[in-house]
Amino acid sequence: QITLKESGPTLVKPTQTLTLTCTFSGFSLSTSGVGVGWIRQPPGKALEWLALIYWDDDKRYSPSLKTKLTITKDTSKNQVVLTMTNMDPVDTATYYCAHRNPAAPKYNWFDPWGQGTLVTVSS
Amino acid sequence: YELTQPPSVSVSPGQTARITCSGDALPKQYAYWYQQKPGQAPVLVIYKDSKRPSGIPERFSGSSSGTTVTLTISGVQAEDEADYYCQSADSSGTYPLVFGGGTKLTVL
Repeated sequence: QITLKESGPTLVKPTQTLTLTCTFSGFSLSTSGVGVGWIRQPPGKALEWLALIYWDDDKRYSPSLKTKLTITKDTSKNQVVLTMTNMDPVDTATYYCAHRNPAAPKYNWFDPWGQGTLVTVSS
Repeated sequence: YELTQPPSVSVSPGQTARITCSGDALPKQYAYWYQQKPGQAPVLVIYKDSKRPSGIPERFSGSSSGTTVTLTISGVQAEDEADYYCQSADSSGTYPLVFGGGTKLTVL
């Protein structure tokens, strides 16, 4: 059974850097085809994909947020970390991490997702 | 790159709900559908346009035609009331993942 859980601060100040950790079980990020992604959802709004890291350490970022984001993995700890710099109130959202299904190398979809963590940006 | 969904769809119990998602790259890229109930994380209900993950009821189906993909829920039940999001990618690789704006399905 695959599970993921997000952790990190619930409140950050504007201009600060946010660091979120996704801790997972039931799969290994050293297995070919596997990946972990981050997605966020502002209150009452739509999902927005942020970043994706693959088993081979290849990384993909949302073009609109690329300069703010860094995604890394620690295979030995079964963790993926997302950092987002220069936080702004518009970055207030629930942040989800999710397992990339390895079934098809060319295509990306997420199943399952973590429960999400709400991050509020406010002074 | 954008995927366009209607903001809302309403159906009565037992009827068929159809939720569309439009995007220029959909003839070349697969689409995926997620169901999200209030306060919960999204759940995958359709992958690769029309495949159903294990555990998803048979009343959920997907189809593709040109630049539009459709999620169909046959015999809608009250428990199907949720937000539904399509997801795909553009054809150039610039946007390996994109979500639609979401559709609120209301069961009357």
